[in-house]
Amino acid sequence: GQQVMQIPQYQHVQEGEDFTTYCNSSTTLSNIQWYKQRPGGHPVFLIQLVKSGEVKKQKRLTFQFGEAKKNSSLHITATQTTDVGTYFCAGLVYGGSQGNLIFGKGTKLSVKP
Amino acid sequence: GAGVSQSPSNKVTEKGKDVELRCDPISGHTALYWYRQSLGQGLEFLIYFQGNSAPDKSGLPSDRFSAERTGGSVSTLTIQRTQQEDSAVYLCASSLRGGDRLPTDTQYFGPGTRLTVL
Repeated sequence: GQQVMQIPQYQHVQEGEDFTTYCNSSTTLSNIQWYKQRPGGHPVFLIQLVKSGEVKKQKRLTFQFGEAKKNSSLHITATQTTDVGTYFCAGLVYGGSQGNLIFGKGTKLSVKP
Repeated sequence: GAGVSQSPSNKVTEKGKDVELRCDPISGHTALYWYRQSLGQGLEFLIYFQGNSAPDKSGLPSDRFSAERTGGSVSTLTIQRTQQEDSAVYLCASSLRGGDRLPTDTQYFGPGTRLTVL
């Protein structure tokens, strides 16, 4: 079946280091979304990428969508303790007229001060 | 203004019983989504409402799951004859617009209902 694989599952970094999480889909995606979930909280929508090769930035966060629209990445520059949480990607796949949003399992980021 | 609210926040039930989970979206939001998150898993899409209609029910895991939305506002997710594998956090989200290609707009999530089936 359709899958969105997300790696790594866990990442521990020292404050100030960079962090990257990757998503790979077994099928071409219509778009991809990224969410952040703080410990004990609920997912918060970060961004949506639609176009092939698209790159978007939000302050220290850089989001990329691959040329083939099968992979995506989230890069955080100079992590801060406030970046702690689990980052999920979610890919939208269409089968006929029905859309299905497939989530990755998330990357749990911990930041050591 | 108020965000998305869900009730109850926690529900413990016995296997075989029916449960109802409620979601109150942000006022004026036409699109409403249900997800569930099992322990250690990613979010799993269940169903999407645009107004009162549900153009996409593809994520409902079995016919024990149903959802309705009345008046284009409050939604109820019903799980009949609950099983232990139904234990999860059920999240509801709403967005201003859904559209033919979902989701097209920022989704705002509720705090979730933690369901435990004994």
